[in-house]
Amino acid sequence: AQSVTQLDSQVPVFEEAPVELRCNYSSSVSVYLFWYVQYPNQGLQLLLKYLSGSTLVKGINGFEAEFNKSQTSFHLRKPSVHISDTAEYFCAVSTGTASKLTFGTGTRLQVTL
Amino acid sequence: DAGVIQSPRHEVTEMGQEVTLRCKPISGHNSLFWYRQTMMRGLELLIYFNNNVPIDDSGMPEDRFSAKMPNASFSTLKIQPSEPRDSAVYFCASSLLTINTEAFFGQGTRLTVV
Repeated sequence: AQSVTQLDSQVPVFEEAPVELRCNYSSSVSVYLFWYVQYPNQGLQLLLKYLSGSTLVKGINGFEAEFNKSQTSFHLRKPSVHISDTAEYFCAVSTGTASKLTFGTGTRLQVTL
Repeated sequence: DAGVIQSPRHEVTEMGQEVTLRCKPISGHNSLFWYRQTMMRGLELLIYFNNNVPIDDSGMPEDRFSAKMPNASFSTLKIQPSEPRDSAVYFCASSLLTINTEAFFGQGTRLTVV
């Protein structure tokens, strides 16, 4: 079985500062990795995904993530955040079985002026 | 496309009552997932269907929960009888039955059992 760990439950950051949200996974087989964002009272929206190929993945809203197999990590980064990036961010892993996703506990990104 | 549609958006019910949550997946999608989100347990996969057939229901908490998918465009999650600890946001998601596609989520149903 696979699992996902998001160590940071909350990350406060000032607007225009860089941010990194950490995600580590555990799996005995090859995985596919995803980052989703959830705005208040909304469903989850895909930010980006890693399936294969280049380990640096670019997503929407200026976010990117890097897959590191040796460290079993898939950290999410943005060089300069905006107030509108305030949301809950979820890392998820799939072993490819029809997109069955296992989610981390989420990281709340709070961007302030 | 309108995306995944869930109804109702909010449901308040008394303990012991039956609750039915509804989901219409994206047209053409052949996998459907029900997730539950709580502060304590985060996002949990309850059950998922491929081509209308339940594949894995190991996440269903107990016999009070049941899910059906009578056709490709409709699914229900039923709780009978409901209990206060069932209070949560329930999400439905759909995807294509291939490895390379992600799941698309509905906006969720916020259930409160009093």
